[in-house]
Amino acid sequence: ETGVTQTPRHLVMGMTNKKSLKCEQHLGHNAMYWYKQSAKKPLELMFVYNFKEQTENNSVPSRFSPECPNSSHLFLHLHTLQPEDSALYLCASSLSPSGSPNIQYFGAGTRLSVL
Amino acid sequence: DQQVKQNSPSLSVQEGRISILNCDYTNSMFDYFLWYKKYPAEGPTFLISISSIKDKNEDGRFTVFLNKSAKHLSLHIVPSQPGDSAVYFCAASANGGFGSARQLTFGSGTQLTVLP
Repeated sequence: ETGVTQTPRHLVMGMTNKKSLKCEQHLGHNAMYWYKQSAKKPLELMFVYNFKEQTENNSVPSRFSPECPNSSHLFLHLHTLQPEDSALYLCASSLSPSGSPNIQYFGAGTRLSVL
Repeated sequence: DQQVKQNSPSLSVQEGRISILNCDYTNSMFDYFLWYKKYPAEGPTFLISISSIKDKNEDGRFTVFLNKSAKHLSLHIVPSQPGDSAVYFCAASANGGFGSARQLTFGSGTQLTVLP
């Protein structure tokens, strides 16, 4: 089992659909993150969870709704998305969000296409 | 405005030669710098990091150099191997303060191709 697993790997959805992305980490970490990577752009941090409590929300639209039921699982619920939300969504985990240098371990990502 | 910049979207190097990937930053509060490597269809994987109190960190074939006065860092790979062909991301972090996360700020990446 790899350290950070994301499902599904690919997702195509219409603008009126509701879908969820799932992330699971097997590293015993306490912090989990959602990132968005659009083509040719840097990774953009969306949300941070520490011990399943949300600690950061980087001005993400409410059509993205995260959920962290425990330190090993993280979800990103999607509804009424826009075509510009099409991107690679990456989940990451780290031992602690305040540790130095906060090395984060990434999943393979979900490639999302919004039609 | 991007605080971490990788101005070269791509770099090609012959096998066995040195690869030098560059990264510039603007925020003087950054105190750790990291390099990640990403293969297609995989997530980024951590490669090497350096603290701002150092100017060099070495791990096998990989060495990162930091020039704080120039706000510039570079990753040297020597000798380069075809398996090193990947996208390399530079990232920087600053202390988020009490109760805040130490966020990573990423550059847009450089595609390295090592030619056999």
